[in-house]
Amino acid sequence: EAGVAQSPRYKIIEKRQSVAFWCNPISGHATLYWYQQILGQGPKLLIQFQNNGVVDDSQLPKDRFSAERLKGVDSTLKIQPAKLEDSAVYLCASSLDRGAGTGNTEAFFGQGTRLTVV
Amino acid sequence: GQNIDQPTEMTATEGAIVQINCTYQTSGFNGLFWYQQHAGEAPTFLSYNVLDGLEEKGRFSSFLSRSKGYSYLLLKELQMKDSASYLCAVSVMNSGGYQKVTFGTGTKLQVIP
Repeated sequence: EAGVAQSPRYKIIEKRQSVAFWCNPISGHATLYWYQQILGQGPKLLIQFQNNGVVDDSQLPKDRFSAERLKGVDSTLKIQPAKLEDSAVYLCASSLDRGAGTGNTEAFFGQGTRLTVV
Repeated sequence: GQNIDQPTEMTATEGAIVQINCTYQTSGFNGLFWYQQHAGEAPTFLSYNVLDGLEEKGRFSSFLSRSKGYSYLLLKELQMKDSASYLCAVSVMNSGGYQKVTFGTGTKLQVIP
């Protein structure tokens, strides 16, 4: 079974520039997550999609971050403009969670994109 | 929101047993995950507990007490490859019936010879 694919693996940009990350979840996984992981910390949920709808974006800095999941499969996360504090690993994950209290399901993570803002 | 606490770092000896604790405070608790994350890699699933008690899976076991807001991960017969961060993550059910998972800061375990 193919895992969660992310690209690019690494990205270095200057502050105030824009950047986009791409994620392809495991086939058949309805739920897709974007997490931000700053060095030495646990992953922080930015946005959660169920198919192509957003179910949680309460911690997404919407003035500069945006995400979409067209057609309920691939997803992109964009930062515009980037700040120094956005330097982190951006992890995409997917799960079989279909909502309606169907139970907890584990998330499968991609390798992440390491972003450095200089 | 959720408040999740776990030790920042631990050191243990190869072949020994180590217990990593996690305490949490949350409303709408719907289960607790443990993930392992090697440096520079993605987290990988270790265990999930929703009922009180101990779940054993090979060298790894996970315990949950819902009334105490407490869990631990037990690693037996430690190997050098077990050196990694161990993430405690709490699941709650949101209004749409989807689980929302919040991670702790992780415990960095160093296994020494």
